[in-house]
Amino acid sequence: DAGVIQSPRHEVTEMGQEVTLRCKPISGHNSLFWYRQTMMRGLELLIYFNNNVPIDDSGMPEDRFSAKMPNASFSTLKIQPSEPRDSAVYFCASSSGQGWSNEQFFGPGTRLTVL
Amino acid sequence: GDSVTQMEGPVTLSEEAFLTINCTYTATGYPSLFWYVQYPGEGLQLLLKATKADDKGSNKGFEATYRKETTSFHLEKGSVQVSDSAVYFCALIKAAGNKLTFGGGTRVLVKP
Repeated sequence: DAGVIQSPRHEVTEMGQEVTLRCKPISGHNSLFWYRQTMMRGLELLIYFNNNVPIDDSGMPEDRFSAKMPNASFSTLKIQPSEPRDSAVYFCASSSGQGWSNEQFFGPGTRLTVL
Repeated sequence: GDSVTQMEGPVTLSEEAFLTINCTYTATGYPSLFWYVQYPGEGLQLLLKATKADDKGSNKGFEATYRKETTSFHLEKGSVQVSDSAVYFCALIKAAGNKLTFGGGTRVLVKP
């Protein structure tokens, strides 16, 4: 199994530009999570989907952030317009079922730098 | 709300030393508890978990026991290796939930 795949691995952009981060979950997993990791705030859950439906987006920082999951094998996190404070590592994770002890499998992350 | 508190790092050890990373939590009900490890440049990996009081999770020589009376889940390893250098995260999920609540992470550096 290829694991959770994220692209790009690194993204450098200028303030005001649109940024799209991509995630392919593990085949057969029906829950998908987007996290952000910064030195200041640690790991934060931004949004999660179950069966392609957004369940909880309370962690999305503001309207500049949006996430979609058009099918079971693909999700995007978009930032428009981007700002320097959005610089962080963004992780996607997936898990099977809704069991509360189910392991979440993390992708390698996308390191975003907004200049 | 739910929260996880773990000791701040960095923790610097010599090879074969004993490692303890403290973790305490605040949550209503009976959460499941996890330790994740993040190696440099990688995503998080599940290290071990415990789903009820007095359960002991173990993996790769690491152990942690779910202590409900002290709301703790301290991570221990008897003899660390250089390859254990990483950031360790304590986390919880509440029953009927899907959201992991993470601690701030503890960086461990093992020197040869």
